[in-house]
Amino acid sequence: TQLLEQSPQFLSIQEGENLTVYCNSSSVFSSLQWYRQEPGEGPVLLVTVVTGGEVKKLKRLTFQFGDARKDSSLHITAAQPGDTGLYLCAGESFGNEKLTFGTGTRLTIIP
Amino acid sequence: DAGVIQSPRHEVTEMGQEVTLRCKPISGHDYLFWYRQTMMRGLELLIYFNNNVPIDDSGMPEDRFSAKMPNASFSTLKIQPSEPRDSAVYFCASSLAARPQHFGDGTRLSIL
Repeated sequence: TQLLEQSPQFLSIQEGENLTVYCNSSSVFSSLQWYRQEPGEGPVLLVTVVTGGEVKKLKRLTFQFGDARKDSSLHITAAQPGDTGLYLCAGESFGNEKLTFGTGTRLTIIP
Repeated sequence: DAGVIQSPRHEVTEMGQEVTLRCKPISGHDYLFWYRQTMMRGLELLIYFNNNVPIDDSGMPEDRFSAKMPNASFSTLKIQPSEPRDSAVYFCASSLAARPQHFGDGTRLSIL
């Protein structure tokens, strides 16, 4: 069974601070996706990283895929209250359309 | 464009009753996924379809759960009989060529 462990599980920080969320596995993935989910809604895709070592930026969010394709990180610069939500990583296996979702990081940005 | 539409949004029923959750995928999408989300287990894949055909149902917890996709624009997830441990938020997602997945807003199911 493939597992994706996210850390931290909960994070509460002040507006304007920086933070990093980690997604780790012992399995290799063909790609890794990051989603954000808000209360009462479904997860919404933020980014997909495909190549080992790849770095993608989405405004204040920076996503990195590990060289070995087993881990990923999400860094947020100057966090804002609108960044509050549940962040989920999801790994896609080679030759398989299934996604394995991580355990989630619940982020709260305090104004 | 309309996204993935799920109904009902909330369902409260008594143990032993049959529950049917419905999903309308995004038009033109060829994959449909059913997930269950709980605090304890996170987001788990139950079953997925490609071109209306079930591909992998290994995540379906037990025989009380069944899913159908009679056509490209409709799918159902049925629980019969329902049990309190089935209480969760159930999500449907659709995609074109498996990626990326677009999620509906879910059905919050409570079994009393």
